[in-house]
Parts: sequence; structure tokens; C-alpha cells
Amino acid sequence: AAGVIQSPRHLIKEKRETATLKCYPIPRHDTVYWYQQGPGQDPQFLISFYEKMQSDKGSIPDRFSAQQFSDYHSELNMSSLELGDSALYFCASSPREGGIRGYTFGSGTRLTVV
Amino acid sequence: DAKTTQPPSMDCAEGRAANLPCNHSTISGNEYVYWYRQIHSQGPQYIIHGLKNNETNEMASLIITEDRKSSTLILPHATLRDTAVYYCIVNRGSSNTGKLIFGQGTTLQVKP
Repeated sequence: AAGVIQSPRHLIKEKRETATLKCYPIPRHDTVYWYQQGPGQDPQFLISFYEKMQSDKGSIPDRFSAQQFSDYHSELNMSSLELGDSALYFCASSPREGGIRGYTFGSGTRLTVV
Repeated sequence: DAKTTQPPSMDCAEGRAANLPCNHSTISGNEYVYWYRQIHSQGPQYIIHGLKNNETNEMASLIITEDRKSSTLILPHATLRDTAVYYCIVNRGSSNTGKLIFGQGTTLQVKP
């Protein structure tokens, strides 16, 4: 069965650089969620999209932005990277009908800022 | 969304049942109890969910107290591969639901 695809799996950037993380949801899933998990921390919700519109926003820094495209894939753009942005970034997708039961997480992107 | 309280860690012998408790005393009538687990740095994995009745699937059983203020996730025959952080999450399960809020989960260590 198709899963949530995230790319790249690993990314190393220097401070003040920019990074773009991509998420390809499960086919027919129209909602995408982004989470950040720092070392030893629990996943923290960043932002979500439904039908290409932002549906909810969590503790996402102003330096970060995201969008969902017409094919439902989503990209998380991170600028002016800081050392503290080093974390695992997970994307999850779900069908609108079915709520959290339908959440499927990707394998994540590990971002290291040096 | 209601908050949950879980013990930070638990041990279990391989082959035995693992019983993971969760308190959610402020749960509302339309909120479901969900369990996810995260195996070392992998994406969280859905296990089971329920509203009022006990539930069972191929992975686990979920026992919810009658007052719905607490629940227990049961892994009937724990294996070493069940070693993970287990998250109990309370949220609305309707089509208007949104983000999952991860609190401090329980780190389950299954020992040989």
C-alpha cells in the first residue's frame, strides 16, 4: 500500500541557509499535517492544510512557511535556519472524512543545521 | 482538547502482556481516545482508538473505563519490536478534527 513519502530523508544545511522539505500524501488524502520533533522531544504540530488551504497553525516560526499544491503534495520552506531548527520533521496525511483515524505518518526528514 | 497523563516509562517481559495506562479526566463526550506509537525516530504509527466501548484489533486492545476518565492499552504478547514510545491522545474523531497533540508518552521497554 502506498504510504506518505517525504523527501529528502536527510538534509544538512548551514546557519542562515534555506531548506525545503517535501511531502507526498497517500492518494485521495486531502489533508496534510507537519510536525517537528527535536532531540528527545515529542512531536510538535506546526501547520496543516486541507484542500490546498491552511486549516490550522501551531507553533510554527515566522521563518517557516508551507503550502499545499493542486496535486495535494505539500512543501515546508524554512529560511534563516538556526541551530535549533535541527530536528526530525514529519508529515502526515489523512482523508477529511475519517478524522484522526486516517492519519498516516511519513518516515520523516532529518534536518541538521550546522 | 483534553490532556492526558501517562507514566514516563514501563518495562515488560517479552511474551507477557503490556498494560499501558492513560488518564484523561477532562475528556469530553465527543472525544475519542487514540493510541499511537513511535519506534525510535520513525514516524508515529496508529494503533487503535475508541469512544466508549472496548476495542480490539490485530495489534492491541483498548479498555476504556465506564466514566471514560482513563483507559488502558493492552499489547497481549509483547515482543522486542514493541519497544517504543506510546502516546495516548484525546481528540474529536469527526470529519472536522484536526491536529494530533502529542503529550509525554510512555516509553515501553520490552526485555528478553
